[in-house]
Amino acid sequence: EIVMTQSPATLSVSPGERATLSCRASQSVSSNLVWYQQKPGQAPRLLIYGASTRATGIPARFSGSGSGTEFSLTISSLQSEDFAVYYCQQYNNWPRTFGQGTKLEIK
Amino acid sequence: EVQLVESGGGLVQPGGSLRLSCAASGFTFSGYLLYWVRQAPGKGLESVSAITSNGDKTYYANSVKGRFTISRDNSKNTLYLQMGSLRAEDMAVYYCARVGTAYFDFWGQGILVTVSS
Repeated sequence: EIVMTQSPATLSVSPGERATLSCRASQSVSSNLVWYQQKPGQAPRLLIYGASTRATGIPARFSGSGSGTEFSLTISSLQSEDFAVYYCQQYNNWPRTFGQGTKLEIK
Repeated sequence: EVQLVESGGGLVQPGGSLRLSCAASGFTFSGYLLYWVRQAPGKGLESVSAITSNGDKTYYANSVKGRFTISRDNSKNTLYLQMGSLRAEDMAVYYCARVGTAYFDFWGQGILVTVSS
C-alpha cells in the first residue's frame, strides 16, 4: 500500500501569517490527493481534492498544489479557526491511505 | 441531506466482540463504496476496512485482518463492522465514511470503542 508522509508533525504559526504543510507519497498518486482538516471531537472536513481544487465552501485562503509524489497545502493568512490538524490522503490506489497529520498550532 | 450515523460502540473486555452499525440516509446507499476509518486517542486516521457498493469486494487493514468483518445491507441502508478478539490497540473512535467521486466526501460523527478490563 502507498505510504503517505507529512511534515512537519507540528507547525507553530502566528495568526495572519502563511503556513505551508507538506505531504509525500511513497509512489506516484498522480493528482489523486485530498486534504482534510480535523478539529478536536469532530470528524475530518474535506478541504481540497484533486490536489488543488477547493471543496465547496472552503475559503480561498486554502490552496493545494503538487502532483506525483510531492504535495503541499498553503493557508495564506491564518485565521483563529484554522488551527487544527491537517491530513493528506491518497485515493489513487486501494486502499485509501492517510498521512500521519500535521498539527497547526498558534505561535 | 446526507447523514451517516454510527452506533454500537462502548466498553468491551479484551478478547471480546462488538458490532458497529452505520445507518445512512439522504443518498442512494447501494451506489457507494464505504469505509470504516478509526482514530486511536491522540493519533491519526487509519483505514480499517472497506466494502464495494454491492458487497462483492472487501478490504481489511493488516492490523484487523481475520478479526473484523465488514458487511452491508443495501435494503436497510446500513453498514456494519463485526469486531472480534478485540485488543487494547483497537480502542479508537470509529467513523464510517462514504467514498464519493473517489475520496471520502461524507463522514459520520464517530463512535467510541473502549477495550479495557
